[in-house]
Order: sequence, then C-alpha cells, then structure tokens
Amino acid sequence: GQQLNQSPQSMFIQEGEDVSMNCTSSSIFNTWLWYKQEPGEGPVLLIALYKAGELTSNGRLTAQFGITRKDSFLNISASIPSDVGIYFCAGRTNFGNEKLTFGTGTRLTIIP
Amino acid sequence: DGGITQSPKYLFRKEGQNVTLSCEQNLNHDAMYWYRQDPGQGLRLIYYSQIVNDFQKGDIAEGYSVSREKKESFPLTVTSAQKNPTAFYLCASRPHLSSLGSPLHFGNGTRLTVT
Repeated sequence: GQQLNQSPQSMFIQEGEDVSMNCTSSSIFNTWLWYKQEPGEGPVLLIALYKAGELTSNGRLTAQFGITRKDSFLNISASIPSDVGIYFCAGRTNFGNEKLTFGTGTRLTIIP
Repeated sequence: DGGITQSPKYLFRKEGQNVTLSCEQNLNHDAMYWYRQDPGQGLRLIYYSQIVNDFQKGDIAEGYSVSREKKESFPLTVTSAQKNPTAFYLCASRPHLSSLGSPLHFGNGTRLTVT
C-alpha cells in the first residue's frame, strides 16, 4: 500500500521558535491535508491543499503542496504553548478515492 | 452545533466480548469512516460507508463489523475475533463524493480497553 513518511517524529522547541515538518509519499497525491490532534481528542483540520505548488496559510500556519506532488510541508511561526500536540499529514491519490493515507505524526512539545 | 458525536469516551470490556462503538453525525454528510489509532502510528482505516445500506472494508477490517441503516449513524462492532482490540477509535465523515477532495471531519474518539 501507499506509505507516507512524516518527519521529524518529535520536536522539542522553545516558545517563540518557528517549526517545520514535512511528509513525503511514494505515490503522487492530488490532495494533501494537515491535521492537529490534542491528547484524547480527534484530529482537527488545519489546512487543505489541492494543487501542486499551492501555498496556503491559516494564521501562523503555512503549508505547501510540493511541485512533485509527492511531498508537503507545514510551517508554524512564532510557536506558542497551545501549539502542543501531534500533527498529521494525510493524502489522497485522486479526488474520488475514499482512502486517505495518514502519516505517523509529528509530536510537538514546547518548552516555556 | 453540527458535529460528530462518539460515545462513550472510554469503554472497558473483557476479552471475548463483542462491543459496539457509537458514531452519530448531524452534518448531513453522506460518507462515514472508522479509523483505528495506536500509539506512534498513523490512523488506519477499518471500514467506510459512502451511502446508507452500503459499506466497504478498509485496510484492517478483520475482526470488525459495521452497519449503516441511517445516514446519521455508523456504529462499529469490535468482535471477539479482533486479536488486539485495545486502541483509540475515531469516527469521521465528509460530504458526498461530488464534493471532490473534501477533507474528513473527526469525532473525539472512543478509547477501548480490553482486558
């Protein structure tokens, strides 16, 4: 099956620092999604990307759909304590495909 | 408010018992999904349903069963045949396939512990 490699697995950063994480795929994707999950809760959608090269922002978060269509990046600027959580990328190979492939997550910890 | 409700939040069962997890949505979404999440792993698809009275196996359907008798409801039964049932279970939904590429919306999960 398809695989999504998400890195890094975990990050420990100081409050105020910028964060970068990425996902790479063995297949070409038509959709990239980024979710955040807090302990004991379901994932919440942060950003959705539908076009190669697309760069989309949501507040301090910015995500990009890679030109090769096999990767995506998420950046968080000026991190704050409430950014703590696990960030998942997810991708779909075509718009009609019901199966969304998820990355293994990046656990973000912020040191005050 | 519209959303996806999973209940209960925590569930404890003895090995050998079947258990059913509830998922209800009032978003008028056609498609519903069940995912399993284990520590340090991504979400894995168990079953999904695109329309009432129809459902499809996901990547790890063995030991699970579902039904879709109503648009709003997609209960998941974890049977005694599931060899490692302790996990966090997430239900999700999205609009009809005509909403191409629309993302999933998740419930808040049910943590099942089987001893």
